[in-house]
Amino acid sequence: EIVLTQSPGTLSLSPGERVTLSCRASQSVDNNYLAWYQQKPGQAPRLLIFGASYRASGIPDRFSGSGSGTDFTLTITTLEPEDFATYLCQQYGRAPQTFGQGTKLEI
Amino acid sequence: EVQLVESGGALIQPGGSLRLSCATSGFTFSDYWIHWVRQVPGKGLLWVAQINGGAWTTYYADSVKGRFTISRDSAKNTVYLHMGSLRVEDTGLYYCARPPNTAVADPFEHWGRGTLVTVSS
Repeated sequence: EIVLTQSPGTLSLSPGERVTLSCRASQSVDNNYLAWYQQKPGQAPRLLIFGASYRASGIPDRFSGSGSGTDFTLTITTLEPEDFATYLCQQYGRAPQTFGQGTKLEI
Repeated sequence: EVQLVESGGALIQPGGSLRLSCATSGFTFSDYWIHWVRQVPGKGLLWVAQINGGAWTTYYADSVKGRFTISRDSAKNTVYLHMGSLRVEDTGLYYCARPPNTAVADPFEHWGRGTLVTVSS
């Protein structure tokens, strides 16, 4: 199965800053079927990005995804207070679909 | 509004059985794939099983194959996960989830709040 490695594990930032999160796959992700989720404590994950670069419905344009093959990134251009959460990547191009361990953004 | 509501989680001994339910509303039930996903603190998310809208196609993670069965009841708009021969490592918060549209099986745009399964003696 494809293993997704996210880095860094934790990131300490301030509102207003720009951040780029990494998700690296152990094998090429078919069709760039890579998604990003945001998860806050006690809540289910929220889909942000699918197909590596397409924003899900209702997601602000400060969130953007890029990458292909084995290297993908999620960029948040200007951090808002509500963006401090854990971010997870998922590949769904090859069975079984798998998730990364997450990057936690903290103030 | 799309809603998915899980239930059925419990504390259960190893080797036991459990049935989880995912009651859905707000969309045409038979048009969508539905998945079960497990989350364990510190170990991330694990996809468990999926079933298509017509209920004739199912897939399972290797770790649950032969022990878990996913099914759906169109009269009740509900998806089930029948869990058997439970192991300690099956412990976790179980979510049901739905993709964003009918054309795809993945990824997961709509999620329930989850139901907790604890396997322990």
